[in-house]
Amino acid sequence: EVQLVESGGGLVQPGGSLRLSCAVSGFTSSGYWMYWVRQAPGKGLVWVSRIDTDGSSTNYADSVKGRFTISRDDAKNTLYLQMNSLRADDTAVYYCARGRPGGHFDHWGQGTLVTVSS
Amino acid sequence: QSALTQPPSASGSPGQSVTISCTGTSSDVGGYNYVSWYQQHPGKAPKLMIYEVSKRPSGVPDRFSGSKSGNTASLTVSGLQAEDEADYYCSSYAGSNNLDVVFGGGTKLTVL
Repeated sequence: EVQLVESGGGLVQPGGSLRLSCAVSGFTSSGYWMYWVRQAPGKGLVWVSRIDTDGSSTNYADSVKGRFTISRDDAKNTLYLQMNSLRADDTAVYYCARGRPGGHFDHWGQGTLVTVSS
Repeated sequence: QSALTQPPSASGSPGQSVTISCTGTSSDVGGYNYVSWYQQHPGKAPKLMIYEVSKRPSGVPDRFSGSKSGNTASLTVSGLQAEDEADYYCSSYAGSNNLDVVFGGGTKLTVL
């Protein structure tokens, strides 16, 4: 069974940092592009970042570019999102998702809540 | 790049059909046959319902169907059931040099 389990969320002050993790099982993560998608409270889904199969290519939404870094450790079957210089508008549930050709997401984690507040 | 445009709400009675639209541009919806639809119940993760405009993943009822014309995609839910009440989001591939994927703002489907 394919599973994605996020962790690392929590309360952080503006300007602070957090690292999210997404542990995957039931498939070989190295064969897939992996994504982070976030959802602010009461709002819609927003694509955040993408990493290709070997980590050589990444992409970011303009709102997080220069502050967030996506990475992967396929030996550990884990995806990461390093978030620096956090702002109040980064407050959201962060989901990791498995990407398929054409950019759809066939499996999602349960999400981890990041709250940026003083 | 702006989010795709969806109506904020839609509704129908049990057994009826409802269609949700998703309007983009030639840079996303109109440029690729890579539109997908997700269902999200409150407090839950999104679930893939339709991909590549009209394909259904295994396990998704055939009451759910997708289509596209020009820059507008549509999700139709036929034979509405109470459990179909949820938020629905469309998304489209937008090219890996810019935004990989763009989402719609979501549509709250209410089963009356």
